[in-house]
Amino acid sequence: QQQVKQSPQSLIVQKGGISIINCAYENTAFDYFPWYQQFPGKGPALLIAIRPDVSEKKEGRFTISFNKSAKQFSLHIMDSQPGDSATYFCAAKGTGSARQLTFGSGTQLTVLP
Amino acid sequence: NAGVTQTPKFQVLKTGQSMTLQCAQDMNHEYMSWYRQDPGMGLRLIHYSVGAGITDQGEVPNGYNVSRSTTEDFPLRLLSAAPSQTSVYFCASSYTLTGPSNEQYFGPGTRLTVT
Repeated sequence: QQQVKQSPQSLIVQKGGISIINCAYENTAFDYFPWYQQFPGKGPALLIAIRPDVSEKKEGRFTISFNKSAKQFSLHIMDSQPGDSATYFCAAKGTGSARQLTFGSGTQLTVLP
Repeated sequence: NAGVTQTPKFQVLKTGQSMTLQCAQDMNHEYMSWYRQDPGMGLRLIHYSVGAGITDQGEVPNGYNVSRSTTEDFPLRLLSAAPSQTSVYFCASSYTLTGPSNEQYFGPGTRLTVT
């Protein structure tokens, strides 16, 4: 039972282009939405995160857009670079007794030089 | 700080064998967890611990045991390995499960193959 749905499964973008990865969630009790970046052979690492009281968060070339009413959030990578080629996971953290992170299925991003 | 360390990096088991995947962190984190990563499935939580002596089940706990006798260590035991447990296993830790300092730090992973 996947509570966080991520798309697309894979994405190919030209260098300098914009990469967009989307996630949708079902549980309205989620209160923290991080994105993790994973390079081959490595563990995931936190990239950027947002709480539902804001609609956008930007860190450098990476931006999270959050739509609370639609229960959707997305990662935008501006000026995509070959070094951004990695797998990206969205996640959502619950509240109360369900405080674990629930991950999306992942998006494999390839940025062509 | 070494962060989160995992051993071994690779392991091949035969069906029915048992083994322990080791995980240690040197950041004095309260919360530790084990995930498995399978293609197209993301990361699924196996077991987690909110402190020494306290563990609980995650989404996919069957076939795995954990214990947390110290803050630093959180081993994952496969009781009787099955081919369905072929996966990449990640250990993660965070200072706490709630509040602003809840970023999870992941180890480098253990790639397990069960034949």
